[in-house]
Amino acid sequence: RKEVEQDPGPFNVPEGATVAFNCTYSNSASQSFFWYRQDCRKEPKLLMSVYSSGNEDGRFTAQLNRASQYISLLIRDSKLSDSATYLCVVNMNTGFQKLVFGTGTRLLVSP
Amino acid sequence: GAGVSQSPRYKVAKRGQDVALRCDPISGHVSLFWYQQALGQGPEFLTYFQNEAQLDKSGLPSDRFFAERPEGSVSTLKIQRTQQEDSAVYLCASSLPPYQPQHFGDGTRLSIL
Repeated sequence: RKEVEQDPGPFNVPEGATVAFNCTYSNSASQSFFWYRQDCRKEPKLLMSVYSSGNEDGRFTAQLNRASQYISLLIRDSKLSDSATYLCVVNMNTGFQKLVFGTGTRLLVSP
Repeated sequence: GAGVSQSPRYKVAKRGQDVALRCDPISGHVSLFWYQQALGQGPEFLTYFQNEAQLDKSGLPSDRFFAERPEGSVSTLKIQRTQQEDSAVYLCASSLPPYQPQHFGDGTRLSIL
């Protein structure tokens, strides 16, 4: 079983739609959680950290459920520029950020 | 620029050749990471440096892979006797320790023929 699992998609949505991605992780000792965005043939970039209390950044909302070992990302009012791969990322380590990435979920937003 | 710089951007090598990939981290970033990203997969951790000390190399797939950061700045990832399965994008990231966000370079796309 992979340490971080995501539906690879692709998710095809029209502009303005709301889309949600889910992710599960296997190690209950995981320390911190993130969503990264990766455009085609580009480097991953941090989108947002994920907290148990839930956090929002504009059109993006992230949630963490430690009991279920489940992380989510909600994108409201999708834009064409949101088309990318969204990587669920877990930090397994206490000494430094030893990041474990999911395979990513591909989002395609169409006009 | 002020970001993480990797070179070469693309590298093609014949099976059995040795390759060296370079990473210039953001100035002042103590932590440096190497990742391997195969096609259609997320990045996978290879190794971690804090300054010149290699504190974790648990992700290196075999003893053909070797990384160094002798002066605590530039790092080199060396792959000896390359195999076709080594074909991937190799990403370098740097950060301020211990839990600051990692900044990634554009990567080196390695193709082994």
